[in-house]
Amino acid sequence: AQSVTQPDIHITVSEGASLELRCNYSYGATPYLFWYVQSPGQGLQLLLKYFSGDTLVQGIKGFEAEFKRSQSSFNLRKPSVHWSDAAEYFCAVGATGGFKTIFGAGTRLFVKA
Amino acid sequence: NAGVMQNPRHLVRRRGQEARLRCSPMKGHSHVYWYRQLPEEGLKFMVYLQKENIIDESGMPKERFSAEFPKEGPSILRIQQVVRGDSAAYFCASSFDRSPTNEKLFFGSGTQLSVL
Repeated sequence: AQSVTQPDIHITVSEGASLELRCNYSYGATPYLFWYVQSPGQGLQLLLKYFSGDTLVQGIKGFEAEFKRSQSSFNLRKPSVHWSDAAEYFCAVGATGGFKTIFGAGTRLFVKA
Repeated sequence: NAGVMQNPRHLVRRRGQEARLRCSPMKGHSHVYWYRQLPEEGLKFMVYLQKENIIDESGMPKERFSAEFPKEGPSILRIQQVVRGDSAAYFCASSFDRSPTNEKLFFGSGTQLSVL
């Protein structure tokens, strides 16, 4: 069955520290992979996507993610976190993406001063 | 993202009541999608509507749930005789295109339904 697992329900990091949010997926073929962010009071916003090619993808707001087929992972990283990055982050997977994309349960990021 | 408007933000209902959730798509969008996020789970697709038509309802529970997107006005997700298990966040998204890529799907901020 297709699924997405985000092992961490919430994570707290200090401002300026590096960040890595974990995502593991189960999918029969090479998937389309996505990361979304939901800031308080806002809708989900697409941060980045992976379809094929270079396994390290760059997104908006200084985020990047690396696709590792051998580990079925697509972890999100940022070298230096800002207080405004506090939000909920969702990993997602799909055959072609689009409206039937499968979402993980989310990881809530807290940033401390 | 601010263009997709959902209301109310929070809705509290007692068991057996009806819940009506509204979604106004971005200007110019005629495709609307509803998702449900149960506690500690990811968003799950429920239904896809185009103006006055249901295109795909493969994720919709068979009973008590219905959705419409009239020619005029917002899309409505209606839950009759709510039960505690309906407590969840309900998200709406809209698109201009019929089969949008993820970049062309715009999400609202959701309605949190709590059933007492």
